[in-house]
Amino acid sequence: SQQGEEDPQALSIQEGENATMNCSYKTSINNLQWYRQNSGRGLVHLILIRSNEREKHSGRLRVTLDTSKKSSSLLITASRAADTASYFCATVITQGGSEKLVFGKGTKLTVNP
Amino acid sequence: EAQVTQNPRYLITVTGKKLTVTCSQNMNHEYMSWYRQDPGLGLRQIYYSMNVEVTDKGDVPEGYKVSRKEKRNFPLILESPSPNQTSLYFCASSLSWDRRYGYTFGSGTRLTVV
Repeated sequence: SQQGEEDPQALSIQEGENATMNCSYKTSINNLQWYRQNSGRGLVHLILIRSNEREKHSGRLRVTLDTSKKSSSLLITASRAADTASYFCATVITQGGSEKLVFGKGTKLTVNP
Repeated sequence: EAQVTQNPRYLITVTGKKLTVTCSQNMNHEYMSWYRQDPGLGLRQIYYSMNVEVTDKGDVPEGYKVSRKEKRNFPLILESPSPNQTSLYFCASSLSWDRRYGYTFGSGTRLTVV
């Protein structure tokens, strides 16, 4: 079952611009995580934001969480060509009596030099 | 360096020939998991393990086996691979079983079954 849904599916911007990706989810969460994946490579953990947090920063990354709207956004400021990758949000759901981390299908970001 | 190591990176095999993809982590993580990634389907969990000798099915366990005899290793076994198991596989680990920490992923294994 799909929990996190990223929007847009694809985003193309120029170097130096900001990139914003959104994630919506359906059930209550303990935390929401963002990952980056360069083509064909493993996912890299970027930020984890807990349900009692509203905003978190890490370098050029800013993540917000709105639990009332069940949504999160990832902002990359002053983007670089090296930021070209797919970005996934992931949330924990309870299924069959156990908790599991479920990934959305991702936003493919292209930063043009 | 803290990491999850998967081997091999690439594998081409024939239908029915048993294979094992190894996964090892050096971070003393409790939780380990296998995912497969397919175009249009995203990442789907195959099996996971909350600690040594504790494993459970994910969303797509059919055709796969796992074991967790030691904390650091979590091999994925395909007893009789079929072409529909052609995919990109990832092993991941996390500090604790309750998903309160981020995952560390391996570099992936691209498997082709002909």
